[in-house]
Amino acid sequence: GENVEQHPSTLSVQEGDSAVIKCTYSDSASNYFPWYKQELGKRPQLIIDIRSNVGEKKDQRIAVTLNKTAKHFSLHITETQPEDSAVYFCAASKGSNYQLIWGAGTKLIIKP
Amino acid sequence: EAGVAQSPRYKIIEKRQSVAFWCNPISGHATLYWYQQILGQGPKLLIQFQNNGVVDDSQLPKDRFSAERLKGVDSTLKIQPAKLEDSAVYLCASRGEANEQFFGPGTRLTVL
Repeated sequence: GENVEQHPSTLSVQEGDSAVIKCTYSDSASNYFPWYKQELGKRPQLIIDIRSNVGEKKDQRIAVTLNKTAKHFSLHITETQPEDSAVYFCAASKGSNYQLIWGAGTKLIIKP
Repeated sequence: EAGVAQSPRYKIIEKRQSVAFWCNPISGHATLYWYQQILGQGPKLLIQFQNNGVVDDSQLPKDRFSAERLKGVDSTLKIQPAKLEDSAVYLCASRGEANEQFFGPGTRLTVL
């Protein structure tokens, strides 16, 4: 079955610097790749997603890139701010059920 | 637009007791998911509904867990009898037109 690996498990960056989180997936038929942000004690919130017919997508300080050949996708956060501190999850899905296979999560720490 | 609603927000029970969780998805969303999220891990899918039918319950521990969505709107998830390892946050999500999943605030279950 599909497997999604996410790295690193913890990422600490200085405020204002960029952060990059990487995920790889195993099933080449996967075609939908969302990223969720989960603050402590709160629900996962969709921050950006990308579909397999697109290589890159941006939304203000957040961008996601997809390399279908290598089967990996990455989340880029620029000009990090304290409120970016959270756990970030990547996921992948395929087919009509759109069931998400989740990565293990990355704890992002923004140092003041 | 109202989000996904869940209740209760917190529940503490003793092992072997029963508990039920309720979810009301975003209006018009036909697909509903129940997830279990153990502290420090990503969400794990328990069951997926399409309207009032079960699409996938392969990861639902059917000896103790049950779920229903009788009228294709609200859903309930029940655990009977609860075990210590069932302590987790139970998240409900519904799927939008672009196939993105929106999560409710979750129910934090503690089994003593």
